[in-house]
Amino acid sequence: AQSVTQPDIHITVSEGASLELRCNYSYGATPYLFWYVQSPGQGLQLLLKYFSGDTLVQGIKGFEAEFKRSQSSFNLRKPSVHWSDAAEYFCAVGAQGAQKLVFGQGTRLTINP
Amino acid sequence: EAGVAQSPRYKIIEKRQSVAFWCNPISGHATLYWYQQILGQGPKLLIQFQNNGVVDDSQLPKDRFSAERLKGVDSTLKIQPAKLEDSAVYLCASSLKGESHGYTFGSGTRLTVV
Repeated sequence: AQSVTQPDIHITVSEGASLELRCNYSYGATPYLFWYVQSPGQGLQLLLKYFSGDTLVQGIKGFEAEFKRSQSSFNLRKPSVHWSDAAEYFCAVGAQGAQKLVFGQGTRLTINP
Repeated sequence: EAGVAQSPRYKIIEKRQSVAFWCNPISGHATLYWYQQILGQGPKLLIQFQNNGVVDDSQLPKDRFSAERLKGVDSTLKIQPAKLEDSAVYLCASSLKGESHGYTFGSGTRLTVV
């Protein structure tokens, strides 16, 4: 069965600084990997996804993530954060051919002005 | 394209009462999912429908939770009787082909059991 670990529960960065959110997964085959963002009182919005091919994936809102099979990681990055990026971020893994997603516990991002 | 609609947005009930949540998926989406998100945790799948049939309900507490998807469109999730630990956000999602990369989530229903 697949699982996801997000080691950081809460991260604070200054506006304009770079950001990296960590995600480690466990799955025996090639996974489908996702990053979602959730603003307070809102549902989950897909930022980006990886299925195969280029291991550096570009998403919306200037986010990118890199799949590293050797490290079982799929870290999310942004070169310069904006105050509007403050939210909860979830990494998720899905198995090929299966349909459910398994989510990490989330990382809460706070932006200092 | 209209998104996934959920109602109500918020609900407060006393323990042992019953409650129902409603979800209207994106038109044409065959697969519908209910996830439970407890505060401080990631969402956890409760049940998955393909059209009006259940695909996966292995994590649904069937002694108190039930769900149906009549006519393969709208879905209702019910809790009876509710417990304090059922306090959570209940998220509905739908997808066109039932593949994990095609999800759209609704805004959720926040349930507080007191």
